[in-house]
Amino acid sequence: AQKITQTQPGMFVQEKEAVTLDCTYDTSDPSYGLFWYKQPSSGEMIFLIYQGSYDQQNATEGRYSLNFQKARKSANLVISASQLGDSAMYFCAMRPYSGNTPLVFGKGTRLSVIA
Amino acid sequence: DAGVTQSPTHLIKTRGQQVTLRCSPKSGHDTVSWYQQALGQGPQFIFQYYEEEERQRGNFPDRFSGHQFPNYSSELNVNALLLGDSALYLCASSPGTGGYYEQFFGPGTRLTVL
Repeated sequence: AQKITQTQPGMFVQEKEAVTLDCTYDTSDPSYGLFWYKQPSSGEMIFLIYQGSYDQQNATEGRYSLNFQKARKSANLVISASQLGDSAMYFCAMRPYSGNTPLVFGKGTRLSVIA
Repeated sequence: DAGVTQSPTHLIKTRGQQVTLRCSPKSGHDTVSWYQQALGQGPQFIFQYYEEEERQRGNFPDRFSGHQFPNYSSELNVNALLLGDSALYLCASSPGTGGYYEQFFGPGTRLTVL
């Protein structure tokens, strides 16, 4: 079984600063994908970034980067140059490559960006 | 390119009633998954449909059932509603069932059971 742990219920960051949201995972599968989603108050889950377990380099997508440390089973999301519109819930999720296994989500971190 | 769409946006039902939620996947996607998100929690997997069949199911009772149509759209049905079924129901689509595929989510249907 897979498990995602997000230990930060809430985080505050000053506008234009960088922030790191923590995510650790547990799985016995050798091949898997790690995902981060943003959920604004409207409810829609917005895909941000993906990291494959065999990817040698950390994934980046614009202001988002994923700090992947496979040995420590961590997949932290780094948001650079925070904007007021980044205020939302952020969910870390994972899914093994094999079979039809579903996405497993953490409990999320609420990020608040302060002007 | 239309993304994942869901209807209705909001729904209010009373205990014991039945409800049907609808989802149209993103263009080019053939796999639909449904998730329940209770307030303050992460989404929980309900089931996944591919080729009009339920392929995987989470830990949800038989009161939760679904269907996928030939055009890949899907329905989620919940019978004998309980107060605890109040949640945001999210539909996600992907271009296949493999774990390396991104899942794109719709805006959700917020169900309130009174």
